[in-house]
Amino acid sequence: IAGITQAPTSQILAAGRRMTLRCTQDMRHNAMYWYRQDLGLGLRLIHYSNTAGTTGKGEVPDGYSVSRANTDDFPLTLASAVPSQTSVYFCASKRDGTSPNTGELFFGEGSRLTVL
Amino acid sequence: AQSVTQLDSHVSVSEGTPVLLRCNYSSSYSPSLFWYVQHPNKGLQLLLKYTSAATLVKGINGFEAEFKKSETSFHLTKPSAHMSDAAEYFCVGSVGAGGTSYGKLTFGQGTILTVHP
Repeated sequence: IAGITQAPTSQILAAGRRMTLRCTQDMRHNAMYWYRQDLGLGLRLIHYSNTAGTTGKGEVPDGYSVSRANTDDFPLTLASAVPSQTSVYFCASKRDGTSPNTGELFFGEGSRLTVL
Repeated sequence: AQSVTQLDSHVSVSEGTPVLLRCNYSSSYSPSLFWYVQHPNKGLQLLLKYTSAATLVKGINGFEAEFKKSETSFHLTKPSAHMSDAAEYFCVGSVGAGGTSYGKLTFGQGTILTVHP
């Protein structure tokens, strides 16, 4: 089934540890995004990539890094996790990253991360 | 800068009654606007989108929304609620061609819809 796969679905992590959230899409979409969802704040963009080989910072990039070595994969890394990074993380993709946003965003089912 | 405000954090309706979820936006440019739905422990799914082709937009599952520029609103409605409509709904905006959003969207804070039998 075409779509976005995120892993892990849930993780508990000690503060200070390094963690990579994986995201893979098989729709050959150019644009990919990482959001975090927190109660009362909606979704906030962490990083984005309009096409393979390029990335950009979103609203809340501090403490996170991404890479886009190919079209399908867009991993999100927490170099040294802190409790404020406890959240649900969603990966999303869109066919075209730079159009006037007429395209639909496709979301993964989320990765729930708890940092103790 | 643009912003999207959902006016209600929670809406509760009875099954079979109308649904109204309110959203206001502010943008210096003509926006693209979307409504997404999120069921528990799931990702977000597109309900409908407005991209200036028509002010009344019909979406999936009987939902529709009307873009009103004079009121800067994009409220989501459904004539008759179903139990399966219980979910969280997000109004989402994006700057149009005159802006530099690079595909970045602004999410409202979300409205949780509860449907009572």
